[in-house]
This record gives sequence, C-alpha cells and structure tokens, in this order.
Amino acid sequence: KAGVTQTPRYLIKTRGQQVTLSCSPISGHRSVSWYQQTPGQGLQFLFEYFSETQRNKGNFPGRFSGRQFSNSRSEMNVSTLELGDSALYLCASSLGAGGAGGQYFGPGTRLTVT
Amino acid sequence: AQSVTQPDIHITVSEGASLELRCNYSYGATPYLFWYVQSPGQGLQLLLKYFSGDTLVQGIKGFEAEFKRSQSSFNLRKPSVHWSDAAEYFCAVGAWGSGGGADGLTFGKGTHLIIQP
Repeated sequence: KAGVTQTPRYLIKTRGQQVTLSCSPISGHRSVSWYQQTPGQGLQFLFEYFSETQRNKGNFPGRFSGRQFSNSRSEMNVSTLELGDSALYLCASSLGAGGAGGQYFGPGTRLTVT
Repeated sequence: AQSVTQPDIHITVSEGASLELRCNYSYGATPYLFWYVQSPGQGLQLLLKYFSGDTLVQGIKGFEAEFKRSQSSFNLRKPSVHWSDAAEYFCAVGAWGSGGGADGLTFGKGTHLIIQP
C-alpha cells in the first residue's frame, strides 16, 4: 500500500505570495492532519480534516487554511507569506478521526520564503 | 492541554550499546502515546504506539517502550543500537474519543541520537 505523498517536495516563494501544498493520504484513510516543523518551534499542529470537514485547528493565523476533497486528498494554503513561514510542512493521515489508530506521515514539503 | 517533555536534546551511544530515550507527558486522562523517528530530510516514521492494555509496547526496528502511569513516562528502549539508528526521535501524545475532538498530536522537542562507531 502506498504511503502518504506530498507535492511539491520543495518550494521557494517570495514574501507576500501565496502557496498551495498537496497531500494524498494512504488509501482508505479519511483523516488528514497538517503540521509545521521549524527548528525553533518544533512540530506544531495546524489543522485536521475528516470527511471534508475541518475538525480541529491549531494556534495559527487565518492565513493558514486547508480543505479536503471527497477522495480524502487535502490541500493546505498559506496566503501573504511571511519569512517566518519557512518550514517543513508535514501531512499525516489516519484511518479514523483525530488520528485514531495512529498517524502516518508523508515526507513533507520544504517551503522557503525569501 | 497536553504537553510532552523530552529532557535529552542530544544522546550519544556506542554502536551495539543499549539505548533509552526519555519522554514525560502531561495529560489529565489516559493518553495515547507515540514514538516517531525522523531521518534528515525525511518525514516522520511511526515506531510504536500505546493506546491501552499491556504497558510494554513492541515496535518496529527492534524498539520497545514502556508506559508508566505513576511516572507519566513513556521511555523508548533498544537493547543494541545500529549506526542506522542515528536520527531524531520524537515522543508524542494525543487524546481522542472525548467527543470534543483532539488538538492533533502534541510533540516533544525531540532527541537527537548520535551513534559512535
């Protein structure tokens, strides 16, 4: 069974631009969560989607948003990029809502904002 | 809200020696606990998880962890490390089933494992 895939793997954007990241979960998994990883803050929860609905959201500004499609694929969007948004963005999928059964992570998208 | 502490930022172990990585959590109820490993430039790989039942959990790559409620700990162990075990290790706690949803996984800051030849 294929794992979680994320595209693109690397991205360079300019401050003020917006970006969309994509995540395809493991087949059969209906929950997708997004995390931001930075050297200073570590791994921080962004939000979770289950059955096309956002279940939970972490403590991030409204510039960070996401959505989930009927095939469980998810996208994350960051508008008006800031230098501090440079990070590794990780997507994780799980069978059940809230990560029940364990979350399985993709390789991440490395976003650099210049 | 839950929290996770990994008191050791770096640990150096000789190849073939035993390993124990410490993890302490704070959570009001029975937590769901996880250990993940991350190699440079990679995502996180799930090593093992604890939901309930036997407090000694076996995982992949020869790792195990023991849940000790009285100490709020979930330490990761391996009897004999290999050079390929060098990586960043993360302990995480999650809470589900309360009906109110969860704030995702809460991760510790990680422990960087260095293997000496």
